[in-house]
Amino acid sequence: GQQLNQSPQSMFIQEGEDVSMNCTSSSIFNTWLWYKQDPGEGPVLLIALYKAGELTSNGRLTAQFGITRKDSFLNISASIPSDVGIYFCAGLRSNFNKFYFGSGTKLNVKP
Amino acid sequence: EADIYQTPRYLVIGTGKKITLECSQTMGHDKMYWYQQDPGMELHLIHYSYGVNSTEKGDLSSESTVSRIRTEHFPLTLESARPSHTSQYLCASSGLSWGSATEAFFGQGTRLTVV
Repeated sequence: GQQLNQSPQSMFIQEGEDVSMNCTSSSIFNTWLWYKQDPGEGPVLLIALYKAGELTSNGRLTAQFGITRKDSFLNISASIPSDVGIYFCAGLRSNFNKFYFGSGTKLNVKP
Repeated sequence: EADIYQTPRYLVIGTGKKITLECSQTMGHDKMYWYQQDPGMELHLIHYSYGVNSTEKGDLSSESTVSRIRTEHFPLTLESARPSHTSQYLCASSGLSWGSATEAFFGQGTRLTVV
């Protein structure tokens, strides 16, 4: 079943604003991944995190692997209209069997 | 860029028909997955495979079946499609890597509509 709690569920922001979303779990994960999905398409990997405390950037996106290994957050700076979509977090546990996904954050950006 | 492909992209089919959704990857990944997703909603794992001749059911019960005869190919079959099967089906793969992390890469999805 669902093991990741992702929030917020949706966001409506103005172009140029910064965005923050996070995922929490009661379980420890060894890898955190952040994906973006456009309507009718498959999720695309944005950032991968492998170590507790790691902070990684990809352009205007920054993600962190929580120290407790039970959470992660994604920040988007200076949002633009093409940032619109659904953002999913995913965690991989030590047994490498399968990925656990959050329920997604729907981002809407007003021009 | 991920090399994982799904066909068809869109499929409209009548109730009772047998369908196979194709998924192929050229990355040599051992693990492959099928997810079911309604528009704008969360992903539900329905099948996964650790490698050739290995298949497991996921967290969401599904009437579909899968096979893994070749590393690169992981087709999903519905013997008798029903309107309740209408959804988007996403295939993903990841590398088998002990001692280091792996990442999942997704295909573009197949949008199935059963009428």
